[in-house]
Amino acid sequence: DTAVSQTPKYLVTQMGNDKSIKCEQNLGHDTMYWYKQDSKKFLKIMFSYNNKELIINETVPNRFSPKSPDKAHLNLHINSLELGDSAVYFCASSPQVPGPWTGALNYGYTFGSGTRLTVV
Amino acid sequence: GDSVTQMEGPVTLSEEAFLTINCTYTATGYPSLFWYVQYPGEGLQLLLKATKADDKGSNKGFEATYRKETTSFHLEKGSVQVSDSAVYFCALCPTSGSRLTFGEGTQLTVNP
Repeated sequence: DTAVSQTPKYLVTQMGNDKSIKCEQNLGHDTMYWYKQDSKKFLKIMFSYNNKELIINETVPNRFSPKSPDKAHLNLHINSLELGDSAVYFCASSPQVPGPWTGALNYGYTFGSGTRLTVV
Repeated sequence: GDSVTQMEGPVTLSEEAFLTINCTYTATGYPSLFWYVQYPGEGLQLLLKATKADDKGSNKGFEATYRKETTSFHLEKGSVQVSDSAVYFCALCPTSGSRLTFGEGTQLTVNP
């Protein structure tokens, strides 16, 4: 069983379209994240949810909207796609044990395998 | 704010060579430190970690020691293999535990 799974793995779409990326984790973790990896491999956090509550919202265009229907799922919807949105998007999760906010501190993250988005 | 600086890549080595990838950090308090590895076309995998000063993380022949006095967490391996070719990321998690901050990544290529 894949611990953190993202779909789709590849997404090619035209400028101006709206698309969604889905993420699910079966680890029982409380916190989930979206990171963007650019062409130079640099990783930048976009959003974080803890038990369906948005806790990190970095300086990201408001065309990007995360949604967490439950603590096992964190989806990313992107409106009006632009060429500069082309990147690999990674979902990750971390536990909330042994105490609040110490999960990532003690265990780091578990990452999904990424979604390569290409906007043409 | 918190930051992580890694040595610039790419790094190219011959099989069985000694590897060092430097990592230094800036953070308040006592962050946890991590090394992640990303193989081609895959996501990041946790390689090793250290959660307090002087801790040594180790896994698959890789080691790194948390040095608070030099704010460093250098990755080492005594004898690299072709299968170690990947991108390596140093990361820190602040004591608040809110997020991981990653370095720029170092591309390692090991030739037979």
